[in-house]
Amino acid sequence: QSALTQPASVSGSPGQSITISCTGTSSDVGGYSYVSWYQQHPGKAPKLMIYDVSNRPSGVSNRFSGSKSGNTASLTISGLQAEDEAYFYCSSYTSSSTLVFGGGTKLTVL
Amino acid sequence: QGQLVESGGGVVQPGRSLRLSCAASGFTFSSYAMHWVRQAPGKGLEWVVVISYDGSNKYYADSVKGRFTISRDNSKNTLYLEMNSLRAEDTAVYYCAKDTGSWYNWYFDLWGRGTLVTVSA
Repeated sequence: QSALTQPASVSGSPGQSITISCTGTSSDVGGYSYVSWYQQHPGKAPKLMIYDVSNRPSGVSNRFSGSKSGNTASLTISGLQAEDEAYFYCSSYTSSSTLVFGGGTKLTVL
Repeated sequence: QGQLVESGGGVVQPGRSLRLSCAASGFTFSSYAMHWVRQAPGKGLEWVVVISYDGSNKYYADSVKGRFTISRDNSKNTLYLEMNSLRAEDTAVYYCAKDTGSWYNWYFDLWGRGTLVTVSA
């Protein structure tokens, strides 16, 4: 199972919005609604930000939103803040009854 | 919310074995599926394996199938990962992670801090 494709890096200024894409196939992202997004700060465990494509866990800011179109899922962060700077990973259930992660995207807040 | 604490990591020679443990507290461990996820140094996350709430069902990543075995002891609130025939490419921080369902919702609302496994001669 190949990793989902994410851009290696994205950046934005405070207050701006950014979008991170996550591209898979019809056997994973495109075939199921089990897409999640995680934020990971260096040296820390990942934190769930979005599940089931567009649902936000309690406690996660509504500045984070998720969507999906075809084989590509997206995470949008609005009103960028300095503390948003981190790595972001998408994940998806696959037709092989496994889970696959994206390669990760480093978000830099300029 | 709960807590997960991994242990058992260390340095091991290629071809040898190691068993990781993950102690759970603060939630009803026996009600949830559990996963292991690993992260090689400086690399991204890689899903390894999942076990259902009662231990009756398991799925493995191709990269570890036949070498790793997941198990759980619900009476001890503990998850295990038995790793055999270890390779250099198994070097990673291993996280245990809690699913939100008894079977599989395929996302994790609680992670441990991880334990480092280094496979080196």
